[in-house]
Amino acid sequence: EVQLVESGGGLVQPGGSLRLSCAGSGFTFTTYVMTWVRQAPGKGLEWVSAISGSGDTIHYADSVKGRFTISRDTSKNTLYLQMSSLRAEDTAMYYCARKLVGSAWGPWGYWGQGALVTVSS
Amino acid sequence: EIVLTQSPGTLSLSPGERATLSCRASQSVNSGYLAWYQQTPGQAPRLLIYDASTRATGIPDRFSGSGSGTDFTLTINRLEPEDFAVFYCQQYGSAPFTFGPGTKVDIK
Repeated sequence: EVQLVESGGGLVQPGGSLRLSCAGSGFTFTTYVMTWVRQAPGKGLEWVSAISGSGDTIHYADSVKGRFTISRDTSKNTLYLQMSSLRAEDTAMYYCARKLVGSAWGPWGYWGQGALVTVSS
Repeated sequence: EIVLTQSPGTLSLSPGERATLSCRASQSVNSGYLAWYQQTPGQAPRLLIYDASTRATGIPDRFSGSGSGTDFTLTINRLEPEDFAVFYCQQYGSAPFTFGPGTKVDIK
């Protein structure tokens, strides 16, 4: 059974940094695209970043480019999102998700329960 | 960047009725790589439809997707109480992998 469990969320001051983790089980990271999607309180879904199964291709949303870094440790089957220069507008629930099937970057058929990040002084 | 527009913003219907949700893309979605997700309060999104018209495993056949190019539709036949939620379309054909703003289907 595929499971994704996020951790590392919390309260951070503007300008600060935080690293989210997403531990996966029931599959091999090197086979699937992994992604981060966020949702600000009361708002819609916003795609943040994705990494290919091979790890050699990464995409970012313009809103986080240069501030966030996606990475993974395949030995630990764990996905990371290093967030720096955080802003109030980065406050959101952050979900990690895994691609379902196929050769495209999506769709994302498996989701974690989310990690809440609050950026506030 | 492909901008997705969903309409209507809110759809008020009764159980047993049919819901028709629209998703329009600002440019053609590569290979029809368009998905629909359902989200209920406090829950992660759930994949319903991918590749525009393929139901994900375990999704009831009252959910169907259609469309290509720039115009896509999610149809829910005979709404059940558990179907009332927010629905998002999303394209994964080209980065950035954008979501639409969502359509809320609520009980009339």
